[in-house]
Amino acid sequence: DTAVSQTPKYLVTQMGNDKSIKCEQNLGHDTMYWYKQDSKKFLKIMFSYNNKELIINETVPNRFSPKSPDKAHLNLHINSLELGDSAVYFCASSQFGVGGEQYFGPGTRLTVT
Amino acid sequence: AQKITQTQPGMFVQEKEAVTLDCTYDTSDPSYGLFWYKQPSSGEMIFLIYQGSYDQQNATEGRYSLNFQKARKSANLVISASQLGDSAMYFCAMREDNTGTASKLTFGTGTRLQVTL
Repeated sequence: DTAVSQTPKYLVTQMGNDKSIKCEQNLGHDTMYWYKQDSKKFLKIMFSYNNKELIINETVPNRFSPKSPDKAHLNLHINSLELGDSAVYFCASSQFGVGGEQYFGPGTRLTVT
Repeated sequence: AQKITQTQPGMFVQEKEAVTLDCTYDTSDPSYGLFWYKQPSSGEMIFLIYQGSYDQQNATEGRYSLNFQKARKSANLVISASQLGDSAMYFCAMREDNTGTASKLTFGTGTRLQVTL
């Protein structure tokens, strides 16, 4: 069974559209994250939720809106997509405590044309 | 200032040899964690190894070991007996524990390792 899953794996869309990426984890973790990996492979945190509560919001444009319906799910909705949003978006989860290693989903490659 | 620095954009190693991937970090937080992740060409991020700032011994996981030198603020990854399947990007990351309940990871820029025959 996949521990952290994301859908879709690939997303190609036009500028100005609105799209969502879904993430689910079955590890029983209490914290979930969204990261963005740019074309140079640099990974940066966007958001983090702990038990459905937003904990980290790293100066991401407000066109990006995360939603956590429960602690096993964290979705990312993006409004008015721009060319610069093209990237790979990773969802991750962890259990806060010793170690607290984060397990990543397979990533969603978003291409905005 | 960079919090995580990986100075080797690319490395080559022969199969069955050992290789060290460098990572230095910068933090004033006394409690933190250091991680290494592997990203093969297929794109997924695979957790390899973790070292806590208070751990007395260097972490080991199979062929991976973390050479933790706290005074030098370095956390190098050592891969022993390299295999062709080790060819990938390797990222060093740090979690600073003063950020509360959800601690983000700050990543380095990565090192691309190529294992040759």
